[in-house]
Amino acid sequence: GAVVSQHPSWVICKSGTSVKIECRSLDFQATTMFWYRQFPKQSLMLMATSNEGSKATYEQGVEKDKFLINHASLTLSTLTVTSAHPEDSSFYICSANRGLNYEQYFGPGTRLTVT
Amino acid sequence: QKEVEQNSGPLSVPEGAIASLNCTYSDRGSQSFFWYRQYSGKSPELIMFIYSNGDKEDGRFTAQLNKASQYVSLLIRDSQPSDSATYLCAVNRSGGSYIPTFGRGTSLIVHP
Repeated sequence: GAVVSQHPSWVICKSGTSVKIECRSLDFQATTMFWYRQFPKQSLMLMATSNEGSKATYEQGVEKDKFLINHASLTLSTLTVTSAHPEDSSFYICSANRGLNYEQYFGPGTRLTVT
Repeated sequence: QKEVEQNSGPLSVPEGAIASLNCTYSDRGSQSFFWYRQYSGKSPELIMFIYSNGDKEDGRFTAQLNKASQYVSLLIRDSQPSDSATYLCAVNRSGGSYIPTFGRGTSLIVHP
């Protein structure tokens, strides 16, 4: 299989604090991981492409200083939401690309609520 | 901005019927096409991928691709209530990219 885990599965934090979300590929190495955000009843929005050992590539309109991405190993990428605000409350999902046909395998998601 | 268009639905079909989900895309150079299923409150899961014109079958699912018409579809035979979910079409960007563009998804309801 191709298993991707995320931690935590849900988090509540206060406005102004930072939250770190981990994404791990459990049974394969992922040179590329992706971070998405999904608001209720909306489609997936790609935030950034995370490449192992290099800087992430952010999509237009996504603040790289607010959403810090680190991909330090072939099995781990982290997303840190800095100075969180209530409007950052969303479902954050990571995925890992397994190559060959470039299909993506998604983590279970992290539901962030900022109060 | 390259786009992937899907009818948001809901598409309602009776149990046992064939559900037909459609997707069009604007990036003529796209090479890889995917269908994902997303249950409410959950993350997407891969159903099928296709990259050659024609049909590709996997169990009850058939993906159809027509690059000339920039159209990809998913057929679900013998639909079951457990198939009720949102189906996302994804198209990788042109140039051999592995970066996908997702459609907004079609909500499918299979009623007993």
